[in-house]
Amino acid sequence: QKEVEQNSGPLSVPEGAIASLNCTYSDRGSQSFFWYRQYSGKSPELIMFIYSNGDKEDGRFTAQLNKASQYVSLLIRDSQPSDSATYLCAVNRGGNNRLAFGKGNQVVVIP
Amino acid sequence: DAGVTQSPTHLIKTRGQHVTLRCSPISGHKSVSWYQQVLGQGPQFIFQYYEKEERGRGNFPDRFSARQFPNYSSELNVNALLLGDSALYLCASRAGQLGGTDTQYFGPGTRLTVL
Repeated sequence: QKEVEQNSGPLSVPEGAIASLNCTYSDRGSQSFFWYRQYSGKSPELIMFIYSNGDKEDGRFTAQLNKASQYVSLLIRDSQPSDSATYLCAVNRGGNNRLAFGKGNQVVVIP
Repeated sequence: DAGVTQSPTHLIKTRGQHVTLRCSPISGHKSVSWYQQVLGQGPQFIFQYYEKEERGRGNFPDRFSARQFPNYSSELNVNALLLGDSALYLCASRAGQLGGTDTQYFGPGTRLTVL
């Protein structure tokens, strides 16, 4: 079982719609959770981090964490063409600051 | 403030050669981590350094080594390059104490191509 799994294929959403991304992790000791955005050919850029169960909102982005079910999700509201990128889910296990990443989900926002 | 810087931006080497990649963390940050990202995959953890000491190592062969200098900059060295070492090498900077859950910020990366 992979540490972090992002199984959805490329996601195409119309401009203005909500994009929903999911991620599951295997280690119950994981303490902090991150979403990074990566444009093609560029390095990952932090979008959100979440430590506690529940929702965390920042602008058009909402991260949701459910530690009992071991999943974390990201919602992008009012999707814009500039949101077209690969979104990486990352998990910090046990506070050792070694991030384990999923393989990423590509999002394409269609004007 | 400047973000994380990495050099060089791109590098082309041939099999068997060695390479040195460099990273300067965000000013005031004391921890640097290195990741390898091959095309189509998420980054994979290679090393973590804090206060000039290795604090973690991922599942990479001994051909990979790193160090951190007194000014907190870091070098990643890869010997006896293989075709499979072709990847984007990312340096991540973190502010705080060992452990904890503070955030890592990535540099622009070094694109290594091994021919």
